[in-house]
Amino acid sequence: KQEVTQIPAALSVPEGENLVLNCSFTDSAIYNLQWFRQDPGKGLTSLLLIQSSQREQTSGRLNASLDKSSGRSTLYIAASQPGDSATYLCAVPNSGGSNYKLTFGKGTLLTVNP
Amino acid sequence: EAEVAQSPRYKITEKSQAVAFWCDPISGHATLYWYRQILGQGPELLVQFQDESVVDDSQLPKDRFSAERLKGVDSTLKIQPAELGDSAMYLCASSLLRVRTGELFFGEGSRLTVL
Repeated sequence: KQEVTQIPAALSVPEGENLVLNCSFTDSAIYNLQWFRQDPGKGLTSLLLIQSSQREQTSGRLNASLDKSSGRSTLYIAASQPGDSATYLCAVPNSGGSNYKLTFGKGTLLTVNP
Repeated sequence: EAEVAQSPRYKITEKSQAVAFWCDPISGHATLYWYRQILGQGPELLVQFQDESVVDDSQLPKDRFSAERLKGVDSTLKIQPAELGDSAMYLCASSLLRVRTGELFFGEGSRLTVL
């Protein structure tokens, strides 16, 4: 059974700082990994999807890397802003079976202080 | 921009009452998911549809929960009777692809409080 762990559980940084969020998974036979952002009381917004054949994916100030062999992914946020404050979740699909479903970590609660 | 629609956004009900949530996925998306998220936790899959067929409901408490997607488009998740432990965010997501590389798109969720 796939298990996803996110460290740290919470992070508080001053505005402008670069930061890294970590995600690890137990079954490395994944097809892709997806990072989401969740604002309080809201749904999930997809940030980046990294296919298993890729090592990195970038969108604006966000960069996500994937190392399948070690079961790890990182989300790098450059020049953080107060508007980046949210919970960030990573998710990986099951590796077997005919259907496709995601297993989520518990998320990292990010606070960027002005 | 196309998005997943959910209603209601908030629902407060008393224990033992029936509740229902509705989801309209992004047009053309064949796969629809219902997830439940307890505060401070990641979402957990309740049920997955491929068109109108259920492909995974192994984590759905079938004694009280039911889900349908009759015409393979919108979907309804029902809870009867609701229990205190059902208080959570119910999230609907959809995906275009039937194969194992599809990106999931989520709605805003339905927040349920059971008193």
